[in-house]
Amino acid sequence: QLQLQESGPGLVKSSETLSLTCTVSGGSMSHSQYYWGWIRQPPGKGLEWIGSIYYAGRTYYNPSLKSRVTISVDTSKNQFSLRLTSVTAADTAIYYCAKSDSAYIYDNWGQGTLVTVSS
Amino acid sequence: DIQLTQSPSFLSASEGDRVTITCRASQGISSYLAWYQQKPRKAPRLLIYGASTLQSGVPSRFSGSGSGTEFTLTISSLQPEDFATYYCQHLNTYPPTFGQGTRLEIK
Repeated sequence: QLQLQESGPGLVKSSETLSLTCTVSGGSMSHSQYYWGWIRQPPGKGLEWIGSIYYAGRTYYNPSLKSRVTISVDTSKNQFSLRLTSVTAADTAIYYCAKSDSAYIYDNWGQGTLVTVSS
Repeated sequence: DIQLTQSPSFLSASEGDRVTITCRASQGISSYLAWYQQKPRKAPRLLIYGASTLQSGVPSRFSGSGSGTEFTLTISSLQPEDFATYYCQHLNTYPPTFGQGTRLEIK
């Protein structure tokens, strides 16, 4: 059973770059034809899809964030990562990493990590 | 982007009740819809995909139906562990979007 765990700074200054890593355990990313995604949730609000990466490296981003987002994968470490540049208070959220068999159906999630953007 | 509107936004019900949550899409999405359950301070859990296919391990009291622009999630007999927030998500086009959520609370 795959398990996902987010890690990274819980506090980022406004205008700087948010960087998070998702470590996958219980299976090899390099042998799995899955999509690996990031979804976020501002405190007390709904879910927003950020983007995803196919195991072979193709990326898909939410157009609303596309200019600021990069998702990458390191199969040797069984990790995938999120970079979000030029953050503002509006980027304060719980960030989840998740796995999908078929692009957008996320059947396995990390526990989430709260990232607060401070001024 | 396709907009999903859930109704109601808040629902109060009792254990044993049958409840239905509706999700309406701003344009037709065939059966490309999923439902998630989220409990406080927890990640969402996939319940249903393809509008009506139950994810493995999800109790049979949960069911989904619909196609096109109108979908429903039904819980046939509420159990204490079902009190949570429910989200629909379309899978039809890029980017996938979520409904605003329906909070189900104990009456």
